[in-house]
Amino acid sequence: DIQMTQSPSSLSASVGDRVTITCRASQFISGYLNWYQQKPGKAPKLLIYAASKLHIGVPSRFSGGGSGTDFTLTITSLQPEDFATYYCQQTYITRYTFGQGTKLEIK
Amino acid sequence: EVQLVESGGGLVQPGGSLRLSCAASGFTFSSYWMSWVRQAPGKGLEWVAHIKNDGSETDSADSVKGRFTISRDNARNSLYLQIHTLSVDDTAVYFCVREVFGGYFYFDHWGQGVLVTVSS
Repeated sequence: DIQMTQSPSSLSASVGDRVTITCRASQFISGYLNWYQQKPGKAPKLLIYAASKLHIGVPSRFSGGGSGTDFTLTITSLQPEDFATYYCQQTYITRYTFGQGTKLEIK
Repeated sequence: EVQLVESGGGLVQPGGSLRLSCAASGFTFSSYWMSWVRQAPGKGLEWVAHIKNDGSETDSADSVKGRFTISRDNARNSLYLQIHTLSVDDTAVYFCVREVFGGYFYFDHWGQGVLVTVSS
């Protein structure tokens, strides 16, 4: 299976900050990389698919980049509702795998 | 509006069995691949299994292969997960997920989840 490693595992930031989360795949996955946001007690929500495509209704302060094995999720101008846990997911091989998650907390 | 509503969870003893159901509405169920994803308490997300839109293909994670069976009934707009030989490690919230499968693949709609607790 393809291993997905996110960094950092947790991150403290303030409203208005710009943050970047990194996701690294253990092997080449082209652009088959998705990002999800999950708040406590809720189901995950799709943010970004195909590495850089913004899902319908997701604010433009979210952006994704990268290809091959290294990917990023960037949130510009953090809003209070953005404090959550973020997961990357590879769908290059159909034993889909997720990163371990990055918890974004308010500083 | 797309809706996915899971049911069938609860408290089960180790070694027991359970069948989870997911009722889909608001879209043409028979046109979409579907997946189950689980999340153990306080842990991350784990893809469990998926099934092709017509039910002709399935795949599952190695951790559940041979114990979990995914199936669907397109006439009833329903997805199922039959779970056998449950262990405490299967304790988790199980999410029913709509999968976009074509070009790029991603999970665009999730149910609210159903809790399965395995304990004696």
